[in-house]
Amino acid sequence: DGGITQSPKYLFRKEGQNVTLSCEQNLNHDAMYWYRQDPGQGLRLIYYSQIVNDFQKGDIAEGYSVSREKKESFPLTVTSAQKNPTAFYLCASSRGRVDTEAFFGQGTRLTVV
Amino acid sequence: SQQGEEDPQALSIQEGENATMNCSYKTSINNLQWYRQNSGRGLVHLILIRSNEREKHSGRLRVTLDTSKKSSSLLITASRAADTASYFCATDKGSNYKLTFGKGTLLTVNP
Repeated sequence: DGGITQSPKYLFRKEGQNVTLSCEQNLNHDAMYWYRQDPGQGLRLIYYSQIVNDFQKGDIAEGYSVSREKKESFPLTVTSAQKNPTAFYLCASSRGRVDTEAFFGQGTRLTVV
Repeated sequence: SQQGEEDPQALSIQEGENATMNCSYKTSINNLQWYRQNSGRGLVHLILIRSNEREKHSGRLRVTLDTSKKSSSLLITASRAADTASYFCATDKGSNYKLTFGKGTLLTVNP
């Protein structure tokens, strides 16, 4: 089945630890995105990538890092520098052209314990 | 920065009624899209309307776009309990194809 897969679904992190969230797509999409969603809030863009080996900061990139070594994969690392990492993280992909829709994964819920 | 703002924040209706949600945005756009999110899940694309279009239909969904007022509305007709979800508008502007989302409208359809 074609789609976008995020793992794990739930993730617990101790304070001071880095954690990496996985996002894989087999839709042959050029563009990939990471969003953060807090309770009752909309989606805020963390990072996005329009092509392999290139990515740009979104609105709330501080404390996060990404890589785009393969077209299919866009992992997000939440570093210890992110002061309030508890949130729901959503990965999306699109063809990266005008007037195209985004496809979302099912999300990873990260909790700091 | 959030480009779109949905109104109302929450809407509760009875099954069979129509639901209307509004979205306002601030700058010129290429297109405006509506997405649905069931609780704790990812978003699902519903409909896209281009900046040169005024109205679009898809099944029980009707979307309008008024670029002079920088606003859009999503109408869901003959609502069902299964329509209960959060609905987000998203705008695509510029040349980097990134979507900017609003805070959403939580729709509750009571059986």
